[in-house]
Amino acid sequence: KAGVTQTPRYLIKTRGQQVTLSCSPISGHRSVSWYQQTPGQGLQFLFEYFSETQRNKGNFPGRFSGRQFSNSRSEMNVSTLELGDSALYLCASSLRPGQGIRETQYFGPGTRLLVL
Amino acid sequence: GENVGLHLPTLSVQEGDNSIINCAYSNSASDYFIWYKQESGKGPQFIIDIRSNMDKRQGQRVTVLLNKTVKHLSLQIAATQPGDSAVYFCAENMWDDKIIFGKGTRLHILP
Repeated sequence: KAGVTQTPRYLIKTRGQQVTLSCSPISGHRSVSWYQQTPGQGLQFLFEYFSETQRNKGNFPGRFSGRQFSNSRSEMNVSTLELGDSALYLCASSLRPGQGIRETQYFGPGTRLLVL
Repeated sequence: GENVGLHLPTLSVQEGDNSIINCAYSNSASDYFIWYKQESGKGPQFIIDIRSNMDKRQGQRVTVLLNKTVKHLSLQIAATQPGDSAVYFCAENMWDDKIIFGKGTRLHILP
């Protein structure tokens, strides 16, 4: 069974631009969560989607948004990019809604975003 | 405040020895904890979890200890192997499903 895939793997953008990242969960998994990982802040939860609905949200500004499609694939969007948005963005999938992290999540390799 | 993870960036351990990685949490309302392993270029990988009604849980070569009195979590890896080299971090799940991750500890295996 294929794991979680994320595209693109690397991305370079400039301040003010927007970016869309994609995540394909493990087949059969219906919950997708997004995380931001930086050296300074570590891993931080962005949001979780299940059945095309956002179920949980972390403490990020409205510039960070996401959505989930009927096939469980998910995208996250960051508008008006700032230098501080440079990070590794990780996607994780699970069979059922996570109730936080209580449901075992399988992470993808991440998309490394560099904002110049 | 909410803070998970003692700031211990690197732990060096001789191959074959046991490794102990520590994590402190500040929120007594957290009821579920996970340890993750993250290798270079990969996403985090679940290692072991523990619920707040337990104080110890064992897996294959790994043991997690939870001390709620001092809000401390530790991961013990027995007979450390080169493949154990990675960043390890803990995560806590609060009662309201808010998730807080520790900053991580890099485990370096000495030959």
